[in-house]
Amino acid sequence: QVQLVQSGAEVKKPGASVKVSCEASGYTFTVYYIHWVRQAPGQGLEWMGRINPTSGGSNLAQKFQGRVTVTRDTSTTTAYMELSSLRSDDTAVYYCARGAVGGPTDYWGQGTLVTVSS
Amino acid sequence: DIQMTQSPSSLSASVGDRVTVTCQASQDITEYINWYQQKPGQAPRLLIYDTSNLETGVPSRFSGRGSGTDFSLTISSLQPEDIATYYCQQYDDLPLTFGGGTRVEIK
Repeated sequence: QVQLVQSGAEVKKPGASVKVSCEASGYTFTVYYIHWVRQAPGQGLEWMGRINPTSGGSNLAQKFQGRVTVTRDTSTTTAYMELSSLRSDDTAVYYCARGAVGGPTDYWGQGTLVTVSS
Repeated sequence: DIQMTQSPSSLSASVGDRVTVTCQASQDITEYINWYQQKPGQAPRLLIYDTSNLETGVPSRFSGRGSGTDFSLTISSLQPEDIATYYCQQYDDLPLTFGGGTRVEIK
């Protein structure tokens, strides 16, 4: 069965970086984009970007350009999202989700809580 | 960016009621809208894709309709397990954008 398993919760200080992983299984990794979506406490969903596992090419929401890097390792079918220069308002649950080309994000990881606090 | 205006932000209804949530896009997104259900502490779950297609395993009391800029999600007979927050999402263009969410409660 399709599974996206994310790394565990992180606590970081302002100005630091965090790297969240998303290990995919149960499907052909290179056929689906991996998207990253975050959710601040009590708030809605915010799309951050996506990566094409075949080419490694990515698209990022404008507000995250320059601070977010999305990568993948096809040998371990794992995608990564690194967020730098962390601020307190980056405190959120970060989700990965797979999506076919021109298709919906149909399977989601369990989420990774990133807390930014001094 | 395409803005998705979702309403209402919350609603309270009785078990068995018909419930409708609407989403308006800031521009024509043809049919490229999905609906998600999110329960507390859980990841979003895809319910409906491409306006009206039910994801596998989703109960038939859920349905979606619309076109262009105006869309809706309907629960034909609200059940206790439907208590959740519902989000619309457009994927006609990047960046993908979500509506603000509708919290559904039991009266």
